[in-house]
Amino acid sequence: DAGITQSPRYKITETGRQVTLMCHQTWSHSYMFWYRQDLGHGLRLIYYSAAADITDKGEVPDGYVVSRSKTENFPLTLESATRSQTSVYFCASSLSIEQFFGPGTRLTVL
Amino acid sequence: EDKVVQSPLSLVVHEGDTVTLNCSYEVTNFRSLLWYKQEKKAPTFLFMLTSSGIEKKSGRLSSILDKKELFSILNITATQTGDSAIYLCAVANAGGTSYGKLTFGQGTILTVHP
Repeated sequence: DAGITQSPRYKITETGRQVTLMCHQTWSHSYMFWYRQDLGHGLRLIYYSAAADITDKGEVPDGYVVSRSKTENFPLTLESATRSQTSVYFCASSLSIEQFFGPGTRLTVL
Repeated sequence: EDKVVQSPLSLVVHEGDTVTLNCSYEVTNFRSLLWYKQEKKAPTFLFMLTSSGIEKKSGRLSSILDKKELFSILNITATQTGDSAIYLCAVANAGGTSYGKLTFGQGTILTVHP
């Protein structure tokens, strides 16, 4: 299906475990982004990528790792999950300014 | 550091009321301001504003930008329960490595009662 998808949609994990959230887009957009959304904070940028093999930190990158070997995929890894990383994670993509968002992943770290 | 502040943070109205949502910003190299609507899922695009004083309209929703005073408003007339959502304001920075990034405000939670 065309568009932007995320998996899993829901994830429960334990403190200290590694977790990878997947993001896939079919539009061949150059830019891709990872945000987290917490009550009272709106959307905060974790990492973004301007093209394959080009990534950069956003506002809240600590504890997260990204890679982008292919234009269409932008996985986000929590190397050692902490409770403070419990959140809803959105992936987005764009050609220029307007960003298109995936459905989100609700992550709970126990 | 770019900054976006929305007000109010939450708002409760009745169907038929008119609401005004505010967004003020500080950005080093302004390119555009965007409004998104978020129901119980992903944010969806409403408007993009680049020039001052030019109103954008879509049905009962309208928005305008003031680049001198660094703010934008989003108006919703004759509100309906389906307008209940989080409304997000974001600014796009035109400069260098920030190109393509959006900085979001905290969002305004709008609740419309029947």
